Amino acid sequence: DTAVSQTPKYLVTQMGNDKSIKCEQNLGHDTMYWYKQDSKKFLKIMFSYNNKELIINETVPNRFSPKSPDKAHLNLHINSLELGDSAVYFCASSQEQGGQGTGELFFGEGSRLTVL
Amino acid sequence: AQSVAQPEDQVNVAEGNPLTVKCTYSVSGNPYLFWYVQYPNRGLQFLLKYITGDNLVKGSYGFEAEFNKSQTSFHLKKPSALVSDSALYFCAVRPDRGSTLGRLYFGRGTQLTVWP
Repeated sequence: DTAVSQTPKYLVTQMGNDKSIKCEQNLGHDTMYWYKQDSKKFLKIMFSYNNKELIINETVPNRFSPKSPDKAHLNLHINSLELGDSAVYFCASSQEQGGQGTGELFFGEGSRLTVL
Repeated sequence: AQSVAQPEDQVNVAEGNPLTVKCTYSVSGNPYLFWYVQYPNRGLQFLLKYITGDNLVKGSYGFEAEFNKSQTSFHLKKPSALVSDSALYFCAVRPDRGSTLGRLYFGRGTQLTVWP
């Protein structure tokens, strides 16, 4: 039983296309995240949602739009894909409990996006 | 500004020898500190964390880390390395204790190679 699952695992597409990555967690956590890992393995937070409310929006282009239909799901939609969007996108979740959580994140396996 | 430094891009050790992967941080207040491991084409796996209390924390797979407040360091250690420990290791800090932000700042990662 995968705790944090993301689909698809691999995504190859042309510049200018629109694509989505889906994420689901079955841990009962109240907070979910999207992180981007670039070609040099650097990890940077993109978005964070707590109980479906956007908490962190880290200077990400407007072409990226997260959507959280419920606490267990956080999807990422990307419009007008650019070459620089090629990266591995990780979904993660944690239990924050209104500030009482200890902050360890549980990560999905990643979605490797390649823009040609 | 919050930052995490992993001064070594690579650490190479022989199997059976002790290993250390270094991490220093610069954040305000009293942060939570974490170590994660990433195997090739996989997501990040939580290894251990420091919240408060004993400066030496023990985690998964025989790893431990020592928190040193005066040196703002959180080095990862293992007394006897295994070939299977070879992976990419990330140090991370969470500066905003007690908030719902759950933001982690990651170091750039250290590639650990353990040779037989």
